[in-house]
Amino acid sequence: AQTVTQSQPEMSVQEAETVTLSCTYDTSESDYYLFWYKQPPSRQMILVIRQEAYKQQNATENRFSVNFQKAAKSFSLKISDSQLGDAAMYFCAYRSGNYGQNFVFGPGTRLSVLP
Amino acid sequence: DAGVTQSPTHLIKTRGQQVTLRCSPKSGHDTVSWYQQALGQGPQFIFQYYEEEERQRGNFPDRFSGHQFPNYSSELNVNALLLGDSALYLCASSLGAGPGYGYTFGSGTRLTVV
Repeated sequence: AQTVTQSQPEMSVQEAETVTLSCTYDTSESDYYLFWYKQPPSRQMILVIRQEAYKQQNATENRFSVNFQKAAKSFSLKISDSQLGDAAMYFCAYRSGNYGQNFVFGPGTRLSVLP
Repeated sequence: DAGVTQSPTHLIKTRGQQVTLRCSPKSGHDTVSWYQQALGQGPQFIFQYYEEEERQRGNFPDRFSGHQFPNYSSELNVNALLLGDSALYLCASSLGAGPGYGYTFGSGTRLTVV
């Protein structure tokens, strides 16, 4: 079974600074997808960024980028120019490339943004 | 365009009771998945419905059951509630069960069992 680990229960960053959230995963599959989801107090899980395992290029979405190290099974999220609205729980998630598979989420990292 | 709608937003039940949670998927989506998120933890997969059938199930007891209607909406039923069933229940919808993208989550139902 696949597992996802997030070793940082809480992180904080100054507004406008950069922060990196860590994630490691364990799988024997070669075809899979990795995600970072944001969960603000509104509770809705919001997709931040997605990475296909077969792509070597790291995904980027505006201020958000990932460092995908497939051999190390590491998938970190970098948030640049942090904003107050970035404060939330962040979940790393794995999904098999097979049809019909579910998300496997990590335990989450609570990010605080300090003004 | 409405996203995923879940009802109710909050409810309190007594141990041993039964509860039904409801989910309306995003317009155009036909697959619904349910997740349980205990306080301070990541969501855990309960089951997935497609074409009105349960297609995949996580490690949850038979007390957890579901249903999908012809309009793709879904219900999650939990019988004989335990204190440990207290959690946020999230519904996610998608068009099919493809692995890569296109999943929209609702804001969840907060269930408290006392």
